[in-house]
Amino acid sequence: EVQLVESGGGLVKPGGSLRLSCASSGFTFTSYSMNWVRQAPGKGLEWVSSISSSSSYIYYADSVKGRFTISRDNARNSVYLQMNSLRAEDTAVYYCARQGDSSAYYSNNWFDPWGQGTLVTVSS
Amino acid sequence: IVMTQSPATLSVSPGERATLSCRASQSVSSNLAWYQQKPGQAPRLLIYGASTRATGIPARFSGSGSGTEFTLTISSLQSEDFAVYYCQQYYNWPPVTFGQGTKVEIK
Repeated sequence: EVQLVESGGGLVKPGGSLRLSCASSGFTFTSYSMNWVRQAPGKGLEWVSSISSSSSYIYYADSVKGRFTISRDNARNSVYLQMNSLRAEDTAVYYCARQGDSSAYYSNNWFDPWGQGTLVTVSS
Repeated sequence: IVMTQSPATLSVSPGERATLSCRASQSVSSNLAWYQQKPGQAPRLLIYGASTRATGIPARFSGSGSGTEFTLTISSLQSEDFAVYYCQQYYNWPPVTFGQGTKVEIK
């Protein structure tokens, strides 16, 4: 069974940092790009970042560029999101999501499956 | 690319058909996906490539359209289908963009 499990969320003060982790199992991790998507309380979905299978290509939403860093460890089947200079508007559930199809990075970037999410709250 | 879904809320009786719309601000070819999200749960992929059902998705869910106009149809609503539905384009990214969602509620 394909599974994604996020961890690392919590309460942090504005300006603080947090590192999210996403552990995967049940598929060949090295073949797939991975994404982070967030959802603020009561709001819709917002794509945050994407990393290709070999880490050669990395993309960010403008809202997090320069503050967040995505990375992966293919030996540990895990992807990470380092979040610095956090703001109140970063408060959200953060989901890890796998690229839907591994045959082409750019043209197959739908998301399946998703992890259960981890809540990040930025508040003083 | 801005994705606009309509209506924001759709009230439907069980057993009836539901038709959800998604419009892109420019062509996304057929690079469009649909997701279902229930309260407290992660989104679940329903459709990709505008019309291909994901593994395990019932045949009552169907997607159509290309370019800028897309439709998700649920042919006969079951109790478990009441949820929020999102469309997503992956044609021209970054950024990947989602619609704002359509809530399907019980009439």
